[in-house]
Amino acid sequence: DVKVTQSSRYLVKRTGEKVFLECVQDMDHENMFWYRQDPGLGLRLIYFSYDVKMKEKGDIPEGYSVSREKKERFSLILESASTNQTSMYLCASSSNAGITNEKLFFGSGTQLSVL
Amino acid sequence: DQQVKQNSPSLSVQEGRISILNCDYTNSMFDYFLWYKKYPAEGPTFLISISSIKDKNEDGRFTVFLNKSAKHLSLHIVPSQPGDSAVYFCAASGFSGGYNKLIFGAGTRLAVHP
Repeated sequence: DVKVTQSSRYLVKRTGEKVFLECVQDMDHENMFWYRQDPGLGLRLIYFSYDVKMKEKGDIPEGYSVSREKKERFSLILESASTNQTSMYLCASSSNAGITNEKLFFGSGTQLSVL
Repeated sequence: DQQVKQNSPSLSVQEGRISILNCDYTNSMFDYFLWYKKYPAEGPTFLISISSIKDKNEDGRFTVFLNKSAKHLSLHIVPSQPGDSAVYFCAASGFSGGYNKLIFGAGTRLAVHP
């Protein structure tokens, strides 16, 4: 069965801390994505990757960076956490390289609170 | 500027009746549309999709209708069941900002009560 695993379900951090959110998929998918979900705004794309060591900015990349050293792992990094980055973070993957109109498989999400 | 809009934040329906969830989009270049369902404490899961060359797609109790001239799609659930209670996200796929991507609406929370 398809599985996307996010390392933490809940995370509480302080303003200014460096935060790492980890995501692992076991489906050998080429594409991986990071979204954040906020009430009234839906899911917004932060970064995505079509291949190992490849990354592309999404719609709201400011304040974030990513790392994809292995095909199955995609990390989201908050360089200096701020309160406006309090949100639900969702990792997703899909199979067809370079094509995003495929159905995405999502992890369960990480609720991050920045105090 | 939201390119995909779900104007109803919530919807309450009685079990056995029809649920109709609506979605509007602004970009006529979108060529593929998807619906996702999300339960609390879980990630969204794919539900049903439709290509812009079709106006209807059906999968069991779920049917998606696409009206390209109105830039509107809707998801019909018949009959509605309590297990359908979830947040439903509409998403549109198209080439934007240099790459192909999915753009999601804000979601509609559906409550199906006995």
